[in-house]
Amino acid sequence: DQQVKQNSPSLSVQEGRISILNCDYTNSMFDYFLWYKKYPAEGPTFLISISSIKDKNEDGRFTVFLNKSAKHLSLHIVPSQPGDSAVYFCAAMVSYDEVIFGPGTSLSVIP
Amino acid sequence: EAQVTQNPRYLITVTGKKLTVTCSQNMNHEYMSWYRQDPGLGLRQIYYSMNVEVTDKGDVPEGYKVSRKEKRNFPLILESPSPNQTSLYFCASSPRVAVVGETQYFGPGTRLLVL
Repeated sequence: DQQVKQNSPSLSVQEGRISILNCDYTNSMFDYFLWYKKYPAEGPTFLISISSIKDKNEDGRFTVFLNKSAKHLSLHIVPSQPGDSAVYFCAAMVSYDEVIFGPGTSLSVIP
Repeated sequence: EAQVTQNPRYLITVTGKKLTVTCSQNMNHEYMSWYRQDPGLGLRQIYYSMNVEVTDKGDVPEGYKVSRKEKRNFPLILESPSPNQTSLYFCASSPRVAVVGETQYFGPGTRLLVL
């Protein structure tokens, strides 16, 4: 059973609007989470992270929110741009040398 | 330019024919790993290595081998490929074993089709 879930395989958003990508996890012991972005024909690249001691982390247009009681996190992109069109992976740090990835959500930002 | 390279990028092979996918990094990173990406499953770790001559199984190691004879190289070996190993493979490296998530650099991927 997947420990990190992204229940929306795809999402379409108009340019300039907010994109909200959701992620749920099953193990309450997870305490560090990451988002990766992946363009076609390229490897994933790290985007933003959040520790369980915080409930929000912001980096420019990207903000990640963590709700520990619900075991849920979300990535907000505001405003969305066509260049944000990519697959976004949510991931949880299991240990210092292991990361578990979710299945990914493909975001399309429509001009 | 700092990078992780993989070869080949695309490969079609037949069941049972041994193959090797090479991975090389030029950043002097200690930690390297292999993932496979499958639809609906995300990236799953196959093997990882914390340093030269140190390798360990990830979540899905069956059917794969690795070696780490030099710091920069971490080849993935399929001794007898099967169709269920058709996938997109990523090699990654990191400068330290702590917080590998943020500092992990991925290669461009190798798309493998096993007939």
